[in-house]
Amino acid sequence: GEDVEQSLFLSVREGDSSVINCTYTDSSSTYLYWYKQEPGAGLQLLTYIFSNMDMKQDQRLTVLLNKKDKHLSLRIADTQTGDSAIYFCAEMNSGGYQKVTFGTGTKLQVIP
Amino acid sequence: EAQVTQNPRYLITVTGKKLTVTCSQNMNHEYMSWYRQDPGLGLRQIYYSMNVEVTDKGDVPEGYKVSRKEKRNFPLILESPSPNQTSLYFCASSPPGQGNQPQHFGDGTRLSIL
Repeated sequence: GEDVEQSLFLSVREGDSSVINCTYTDSSSTYLYWYKQEPGAGLQLLTYIFSNMDMKQDQRLTVLLNKKDKHLSLRIADTQTGDSAIYFCAEMNSGGYQKVTFGTGTKLQVIP
Repeated sequence: EAQVTQNPRYLITVTGKKLTVTCSQNMNHEYMSWYRQDPGLGLRQIYYSMNVEVTDKGDVPEGYKVSRKEKRNFPLILESPSPNQTSLYFCASSPPGQGNQPQHFGDGTRLSIL
């Protein structure tokens, strides 16, 4: 089945850039997503990228997709303490229904 | 306000005592799904439903049941809970169509089975 892998933990200093990486195995992925989970809350969609795109920028967020290597990254510029959360990479395959496979989540700790 | 509501938010119970976690959405979404979140494993799909009376197994369905009698509700049933079902559970919903329609998540239900 599909597999989505992330490193479990990342620590950065406030004001630095954060880069969270993700690899996936499904070559038929159509959409790839980044979700953010704050403590005690559900997941919220941060951004997504369609599989025929290489890059998407949205304010402080930059998503890079290397489809050949099946590698997705999320860069957060000028990281703030409010960015501390768990970030999930996810992919949707091209199957008959909207199956979304989530990664293991990366816990981002921002040090003041 | 558009939302997915889960109840209860927290539950501690004992092995074998049937329980139901309710999920309700007010966005008229066709697609609903249940996930469990465990440390180091991310979110794993338990069951999903593409519409009323249409449900199917996800990746980890063992020990769970669901029903979809109405569009807005998608309860998760544990007929005989066991300690390995201790986890954080999320319900999600989304409209049909392309993948640019994000899933909306509830705030989660933390279950502890003793």
